[in-house]
Amino acid sequence: SQTIHQWPATLVQPVGSPLSLECTVEGTSNPNLYWYRQAAGRGLQLLFYSVGIGQISSEVPQNLSASRPQDRQFILSSKKLLLSDSGFYLCAWRGLLNNNEQFFGPGTRLTVL
Amino acid sequence: QKEVEQDPGPLSVPEGAIVSLNCTYSNSAFQYFMWYRQYSRKGPELLMYTYSSGNKEDGRFTAQVDKSSKYISLFIRDSQPSDSATYLCAIWAGGFKTIFGAGTRLFVKA
Repeated sequence: SQTIHQWPATLVQPVGSPLSLECTVEGTSNPNLYWYRQAAGRGLQLLFYSVGIGQISSEVPQNLSASRPQDRQFILSSKKLLLSDSGFYLCAWRGLLNNNEQFFGPGTRLTVL
Repeated sequence: QKEVEQDPGPLSVPEGAIVSLNCTYSNSAFQYFMWYRQYSRKGPELLMYTYSSGNKEDGRFTAQVDKSSKYISLFIRDSQPSDSATYLCAIWAGGFKTIFGAGTRLFVKA
């Protein structure tokens, strides 16, 4: 069966510091991978998606970036965090054999102070 | 107008009640609809998906799509305290895009 991991689970960072969140998927090959940010009462905002190694599409211009160095690894980064980057970050995958459902990881709660 | 609208609640019901959760959407071309359940501080988990119109049942859960009204519903029968969570509707908008509702917080009181 497929599983998706995210770490860290929680993170408190000062403004201006760098960020690296990691997501890995097990049990599937060549998944589509997604990064979302969830703010209270505002649903899920798609940040990035990837259809393969090194292929990243950005949905929202901001100071975040994403990379996919391996088939089942997706990384969200920032060089300098802003207060507005605080939120709950979710990684999701969609398999080639799935319909249109996405499956989410446990999330990382980021607080920027 | 937002593509998907969902009442954020909170919705509080007694144990055993029938719960109705709803979303409206704006684009009549949408065909693929999903419901996710999210417990506090956890990632969303897929509950059900439906294609086009009609009903789909899974245990105590029933998903319903009314394309003429652009209205989707999730019904929970015999609700339990363990059903207390946020429920998000989601609509596949084509390609890699899925649109999520803001979520409805549900509390089931024992």
